[in-house]
Amino acid sequence: EAGVAQSPRYKIIEKRQSVAFWCNPISGHATLYWYQQILGQGPKLLIQFQNNGVVDDSQLPKDRFSAERLKGVDSTLKIQPAKLEDSAVYLCASSWGAISYEQYFGPGTRLTVT
Amino acid sequence: ELKVEQNPLFLSMQEGKNYTIYCNYSTTSDRLYWYRQDPGKSLESLFVLLSNGAVKQEGRLMASLDTKARLSTLHITAAVHDLSATYFCAVDNNEANQGGKLIFGQGTELSVKP
Repeated sequence: EAGVAQSPRYKIIEKRQSVAFWCNPISGHATLYWYQQILGQGPKLLIQFQNNGVVDDSQLPKDRFSAERLKGVDSTLKIQPAKLEDSAVYLCASSWGAISYEQYFGPGTRLTVT
Repeated sequence: ELKVEQNPLFLSMQEGKNYTIYCNYSTTSDRLYWYRQDPGKSLESLFVLLSNGAVKQEGRLMASLDTKARLSTLHITAAVHDLSATYFCAVDNNEANQGGKLIFGQGTELSVKP
């Protein structure tokens, strides 16, 4: 079974530029998550999708971050404009459902904002 | 607001020794997960604990959950160098409509030395 795919793996941008990350979840997984992991910390949930609807985006900085999951499969996360404090690893995860289902994580995208 | 605290945050062990990592959380939840993260890598699921008193073992690792004490432990038996990694516990938020929202601890960085 193929795992969660993410691209790119690494990205370096200057502050105020924009960037987009892509995630392809495990086939058949209805729930998709985006996490932000700052160096030395645990991941923090940014947004949760159930199929193509948003379940929770309470911790997404909506003035600069946006995410979509078209057709309930792939998802993109965008940052515009980026700030220095956005430097982190962005992890995508997916699960069969939401409650009591194990989340499987992708390899992550390491973003450096200079 | 659910808070998850791990201790210790750093653990240096000798091979062959036993030790326990503790994960405390602040509000009711009966779903807890343990993950392993190697440097520069994504999160690998170790254990899913879904009920009070749950105990799971895999190799030299054993995890348990006490929902009344709001405590999970990850016990390491006869540590080997290959166990060196950062270990995270994560608790399901458990609030209505927020199933699947994991709150992560800070992580425990484990180093096993010969």
